Amino acid sequence: DTAVSQTPKYLVTQMGNDKSIKCEQNLGHDTMYWYKQDSKKFLKIMFSYNNKELIINETVPNRFSPKSPDKAHLNLHINSLELGDSAVYFCASSQGASGMQETQYFGPGTRLLVL
Amino acid sequence: QQQVKQSPQSLIVQKGGISIINCAYENTAFDYFPWYQQFPGKGPALLIAIRPDVSEKKEGRFTISFNKSAKQFSLHIMDSQPGDSATYFCAASGNGQNFVFGPGTRLSVLP
Repeated sequence: DTAVSQTPKYLVTQMGNDKSIKCEQNLGHDTMYWYKQDSKKFLKIMFSYNNKELIINETVPNRFSPKSPDKAHLNLHINSLELGDSAVYFCASSQGASGMQETQYFGPGTRLLVL
Repeated sequence: QQQVKQSPQSLIVQKGGISIINCAYENTAFDYFPWYQQFPGKGPALLIAIRPDVSEKKEGRFTISFNKSAKQFSLHIMDSQPGDSATYFCAASGNGQNFVFGPGTRLSVLP
């Protein structure tokens, strides 16, 4: 059983397009996250949702919009894709509220390449 | 104050040697310090974590040493194996603040 799953695994698209990445967790966790990992492996949080409510919204362009239809899903929609958006995007989840001493479980990542 | 510094950026160790990765933080509100291990093409996975009420935690070949006064913590991998080759991230969280990850250390263990 996959705990945190993401689709698609790879995404290659043209600049200016709009794309979505989907994330689902079957762990029954209350909090979900989106991270961006750049080419230098730097891992930076983008968003955090607790029980479908936005908790963390780091300095991210408003072209990025998270959507949480229910506690088990957190999707990431990106408008007007730019070259600099090329990265690996990781979804993660944790049992309790964001910031608590909780293990985060990461998905396998979505490798986005903007041409 | 949100930053977590990590060194070295990359590390090469012979099989059987000790790998040491160091991290430092500024925010005294942090009270949870995990280490994550990431293999190529995979998401990070929790390796070991420590809270500031202890100075050391050991799990198998992996040990975290924590120095609260210096605001530093380190990961020691004893008897390093080629299978330990991965990128290691330290992180910190606490007081309602979300996880902050260090920039990562790429470890290569030579056979």
